[in-house]
Amino acid sequence: GAGVSQSPSNKVTEKGKDVELRCDPISGHTALYWYRQSLGQGLEFLIYFQGNSAPDKSGLPSDRFSAERTGGSVSTLTIQRTQQEDSAVYLCASSPTRARGAGELFFGEGSRLTVL
Amino acid sequence: AQKITQTQPGMFVQEKEAVTLDCTYDTSDPSYGLFWYKQPSSGEMIFLIYQGSYDQQNATEGRYSLNFQKARKSANLVISASQLGDSAMYFCAMRGRGSQGNLIFGKGTKLSVKP
Repeated sequence: GAGVSQSPSNKVTEKGKDVELRCDPISGHTALYWYRQSLGQGLEFLIYFQGNSAPDKSGLPSDRFSAERTGGSVSTLTIQRTQQEDSAVYLCASSPTRARGAGELFFGEGSRLTVL
Repeated sequence: AQKITQTQPGMFVQEKEAVTLDCTYDTSDPSYGLFWYKQPSSGEMIFLIYQGSYDQQNATEGRYSLNFQKARKSANLVISASQLGDSAMYFCAMRGRGSQGNLIFGKGTKLSVKP
């Protein structure tokens, strides 16, 4: 399909390991966002990429979290030395550059991370 | 700082009746947008409706309408003729700084539609 694609859909890891989560946005969308949703909670903003501009990293909870976006398309969220509190669903979203009207975000189905 | 408040953790509504989900917001931006998303148990986030801060009329999309009261800083979602498939989490969100920037989400309201 032509939607936002995330992988893996599920990831179980041991405390202390590093994990990488991937997001492939909708073709032509230059804005890309990462959010985190803990069980039963709302969405917590992590990081935002817009074209070639410097990303807005203001939501990253610690320096264990980082993200990059290569070629203005695919993005990878990396969590180093995972902790149990990192367990959550990580949602990626994209939107067009020149948002007409709403400029709503289009979300992927998320990557569920479980840290044992 | 921007903030979204949804004070109803859970709501029940009888099938075919209307229901209002509350959302209040706080921002110092003169231009902002308000969004509602639905999240069924399957987890995907589905965009429902949008209201711009300068829009003169309340937004409507099918059975969804947004009761926008700018002076009160509220943007309540009204769902008419509820259906069983409307049972889901509903999130209110806001974007400031014009048309760019991230969305700030509320904690959500879990709506349950009773047959």
